[in-house]
Amino acid sequence: EAQVTQNPRYLITVTGKKLTVTCSQNMNHEYMSWYRQDPGLGLRQIYYSMNVEVTDKGDVPEGYKVSRKEKRNFPLILESPSPNQTSLYFCASSLYRDRGTGELFFGEGSRLTVL
Amino acid sequence: GDSVTQMEGPVTLSEEAFLTINCTYTATGYPSLFWYVQYPGEGLQLLLKATKADDKGSNKGFEATYRKETTSFHLEKGSVQVSDSAVYFCALRTTDKLIFGTGTRLQVFP
Repeated sequence: EAQVTQNPRYLITVTGKKLTVTCSQNMNHEYMSWYRQDPGLGLRQIYYSMNVEVTDKGDVPEGYKVSRKEKRNFPLILESPSPNQTSLYFCASSLYRDRGTGELFFGEGSRLTVL
Repeated sequence: GDSVTQMEGPVTLSEEAFLTINCTYTATGYPSLFWYVQYPGEGLQLLLKATKADDKGSNKGFEATYRKETTSFHLEKGSVQVSDSAVYFCALRTTDKLIFGTGTRLQVFP
């Protein structure tokens, strides 16, 4: 089954404790991206990657890091989480050739709470 | 820059009522437009899309027409069901990302 898989789905952590949210897709998509969803703000892009070893900042990259060492994986790293990073996070992917026109395929989301 | 504006919710309807959720966009060129739906506790699912002017996207009884003249992509359904209760997001695609509206919560009561 074609899917985008995120882990963990739920996480409660404390300020400053490094964490990684993993994202993996099995559709051979070149493009991958991270979004955060906050009430009243919709979804905002954090980082994206057009292909392996190619990453770029989105609209709200502060406090986050990413890496793209393999085509299927795109982990989101919070080196020193703070309470304002409490949010619902989504990973998404698509084919590179669809980057201007096609849909994004989303994971089920990871709800992160930073105390 | 590019942006999407959609009507604020919640939208509360009785079962079998007609639904319209307004969406307008600002963009350079003619981007692809999308409606995504988020059911309670779930991720985002593509509901429908349109890639060029005058295209009509449709799925599960929902429809939206890409109107270049009014830069709109309003979502409609003739008869909603309780199972349609969800948050609906309008979005446009750029090379780098999807740009989303803030979402509209729909609540349908029996």
